[in-house]
Amino acid sequence: DQQVKQNSPSLSVQEGRISILNCDYTNSMFDYFLWYKKYPAEGPTFLISISSIKDKNEDGRFTVFLNKSAKHLSLHIVPSQPGDSAVYFCAARSSGTYKYIFGTGTRLKVLA
Amino acid sequence: DAGVIQSPRHEVTEMGQEVTLRCKPISGHNSLFWYRQTMMRGLELLIYFNNNVPIDDSGMPEDRFSAKMPNASFSTLKIQPSEPRDSAVYFCASSPGQATYEQYFGPGTRLTVT
Repeated sequence: DQQVKQNSPSLSVQEGRISILNCDYTNSMFDYFLWYKKYPAEGPTFLISISSIKDKNEDGRFTVFLNKSAKHLSLHIVPSQPGDSAVYFCAARSSGTYKYIFGTGTRLKVLA
Repeated sequence: DAGVIQSPRHEVTEMGQEVTLRCKPISGHNSLFWYRQTMMRGLELLIYFNNNVPIDDSGMPEDRFSAKMPNASFSTLKIQPSEPRDSAVYFCASSPGQATYEQYFGPGTRLTVT
């Protein structure tokens, strides 16, 4: 039973446009969410996070939105660049725990 | 800072053989995690250590898997005997503290069991 789902295995976007990566979760106890980016032959690297007390967090070109009622979060990349081409994982955890549940990832390809 | 170091980067072995994966966490980090990545299940937590003590090994798939952390700078994940279904990428990650949100991942070990 996947508690964190990334239903789109892949996404292609033109350079300069917006990339939107989606993530759904089922556990209402999750209160902290992360996005990781992964290049081939490398480990995931932390990108951006959001706490459940917020509905938006922004860091440069990256913005994460959280809709608690829909149990949905999304990562927006504006403008998209070819170097953003990677696999993106969302992860969630419950308050007071160390254990993150990861989604299966979305492969983003930004076309030049 | 060298980051999390894992070895080997690639391992090819035959079914039934013992496999040992190694991890050196970032200096000063007291939490260490072993993950397995597969296409079907994504990133799954296998085991979590805090201050060298295993806290949660509920993700270890079966008794063939074991992990140790003899000191703060070294951990191993062992599979004995290995099976083809163990083929995956195994990641080690560390974080500065149990309550810290961000985990730093190593480059992973790609294991192929034939």
